[in-house]
Amino acid sequence: DGGITQSPKYLFRKEGQNVTLSCEQNLNHDAMYWYRQDPGQGLRLIYYSQIVNDFQKGDIAEGYSVSREKKESFPLTVTSAQKNPTAFYLCASSIGRGPDGYTFGSGTRLTVV
Amino acid sequence: AQTVTQSQPEMSVQEAETVTLSCTYDTSESDYYLFWYKQPPSRQMILVIRQEAYKQQNATENRFSVNFQKAAKSFSLKISDSQLGDAAMYFCASTPPRKAAGNKLTFGGGTRVLVKP
Repeated sequence: DGGITQSPKYLFRKEGQNVTLSCEQNLNHDAMYWYRQDPGQGLRLIYYSQIVNDFQKGDIAEGYSVSREKKESFPLTVTSAQKNPTAFYLCASSIGRGPDGYTFGSGTRLTVV
Repeated sequence: AQTVTQSQPEMSVQEAETVTLSCTYDTSESDYYLFWYKQPPSRQMILVIRQEAYKQQNATENRFSVNFQKAAKSFSLKISDSQLGDAAMYFCASTPPRKAAGNKLTFGGGTRVLVKP
């Protein structure tokens, strides 16, 4: 079955470390997105990519980086410059502007220890 | 900038009763899509229902239905015969303007639904 896979489900980061969150989709979707969600809050867009080898900053891109070398993959790196990285991270993909909206992954919970 | 507003941070409903969540949006488009997503405690986002702005008929999916008022830019979600499994955060979202590249949805801030047994 097609879908989006995020890994790991839980991730712990030490102060000063970079960590990478994986997001893979087999839906043949062109666009992919990364969102951050803090407890009890809504979704905030970090980065998005509409096509391979291209991506744009969202509303809270500082301290994060992404790459889109393959259509199926859109990894997110949380760098040491991100001062408050503890949050829930959601990856999503879409086929384009239309009735299908987004398909979401199951998320990664990142905790700084 | 396009905005989606959910004015109710939290709603409580008795099991088997009905609850309505409100959502208003701001767009200059004539054709667009609106969505309601559910995020249960597992935090998996699930598409509940969608509405195309060109369709006057309100969308319905089993116990979930919407009241789409295009002129008022209102898109409320009604959950009938509420069940314990309906307890979740609910997010309203809209598609971007046609002139904007891509399909970056605009999300509301969410409404938490509590279901009392």
